[in-house]
Amino acid sequence: SYELTQPLSVSVALGQTARITCGGNNIGSKYVHWYQQRPGQAPVLVISRDNDRPSGIPERFSGSNSGNTATLTISRAQAGDEADYYCQVWDSNTGVFGGGTKLTVL
Amino acid sequence: EVQLVESGGGLVQPGGSLRLSCAASGFTFSRYAMIWVRQAAGKGLEWVSVISGGNNSTYYADSVKGRFTISRDNSKNTLYLQMNSPRVEDTAVYYCAKGGVGAPIDCWGQGTLVTVSS
Repeated sequence: SYELTQPLSVSVALGQTARITCGGNNIGSKYVHWYQQRPGQAPVLVISRDNDRPSGIPERFSGSNSGNTATLTISRAQAGDEADYYCQVWDSNTGVFGGGTKLTVL
Repeated sequence: EVQLVESGGGLVQPGGSLRLSCAASGFTFSRYAMIWVRQAAGKGLEWVSVISGGNNSTYYADSVKGRFTISRDNSKNTLYLQMNSPRVEDTAVYYCAKGGVGAPIDCWGQGTLVTVSS
């Protein structure tokens, strides 16, 4: 079965750029979606199809996907960006989530 | 406004049964595939099942295949998850969400807690 690997945690200074990676075999051949989940809340889609931002998501959020790694980039990090972030792909009609990354804004 | 409201969660004994429901509003329900995703306490997201808009296609995670059944009633704008023979490891918050194979999951309910325990 297909697996996605994310770092357990990423830290970023306030106002700096955070990068969260998602590794998978030839992930560049798949669309990657990213979700933000704040404590006690349901997930929210922040990036779809590698680098599309849904309505209402700040331009500070962007994504890329190539080779074996997809990356979610959060520019000018704010305190409100502290959350868990999950990458997700579809593989043979099966949904696959990465293990999640906890983003801490220092 | 798109809304998804889950219900039916609670305490169930191992080997019992439970049916979750998800009431959808704010979009043409029958046109969209729907998904169940779960999350155990302190753990990550786990995809459970997906059903196409027209009921023609259903897919399941290996962990629930043969025990859980996803279905929908487009006349009632409602999604279901029938949980048969649940196990302790099925204990989780279950989210109903809008999205289909290949597509992003663009709307999530607030979740319903299922606890499997004797």
